[in-house]
Amino acid sequence: TQLLEQSPQFLSIQEGENLTVYCNSSSVFSSLQWYRQEPGEGPVLLVTVVTGGEVKKLKRLTFQFGDARKDSSLHITAAQPGDTGLYLCAGANYGQNFVFGPGTRLSVLP
Amino acid sequence: KAGVTQTPRYLIKTRGQQVTLSCSPISGHRSVSWYQQTPGQGLQFLFEYFSETQRNKGNFPGRFSGRQFSNSRSEMNVSTLELGDSALYLCASSYGFQAGSGNTIYFGEGSWLTVV
Repeated sequence: TQLLEQSPQFLSIQEGENLTVYCNSSSVFSSLQWYRQEPGEGPVLLVTVVTGGEVKKLKRLTFQFGDARKDSSLHITAAQPGDTGLYLCAGANYGQNFVFGPGTRLSVLP
Repeated sequence: KAGVTQTPRYLIKTRGQQVTLSCSPISGHRSVSWYQQTPGQGLQFLFEYFSETQRNKGNFPGRFSGRQFSNSRSEMNVSTLELGDSALYLCASSYGFQAGSGNTIYFGEGSWLTVV
């Protein structure tokens, strides 16, 4: 069974700080997706990474897929209250359904 | 294009009743998956439908069932509701089935079910 772990589980920071959250597995994935979910809403896709070592930037968010395609990180620069939410990573492999991590709950205080 | 649409958004049911939730996928998407999300268990996969056929099923009791129509719209049904069924039920759509290569899944806003 493929499992994804995310760390930290909870993170509370002040506006303007930088942060990194991690998504790790002992399994290799062909692609990995990051979602942000706000309270009471469905997860919204942020990015999909497919190549080992790939780095994608989305404004203040930087996503990296590990060289071995077993892990990923999300770095947020100068966090804002609007970044508050649950960050979920999901791994995909051909022939298998998506596997979701438990999420990192981020709170950015003004 | 319109996103994934789920109805109803909120509903309250009594133990022992049944409930039907509806999901309209993104236009052109043929796969619909259902998830249950609770604070303690996170996102748990219920089942996936592709071209009106159930492709895969998660580890849930037979009280949870679903179907997909020829226009790719999907419904899920929970019979004999229990208090523990209270959760956010999320629908996700994708062009191909999840286990295919290179697919991305897009979620709806979810249906909040409270069982009292």
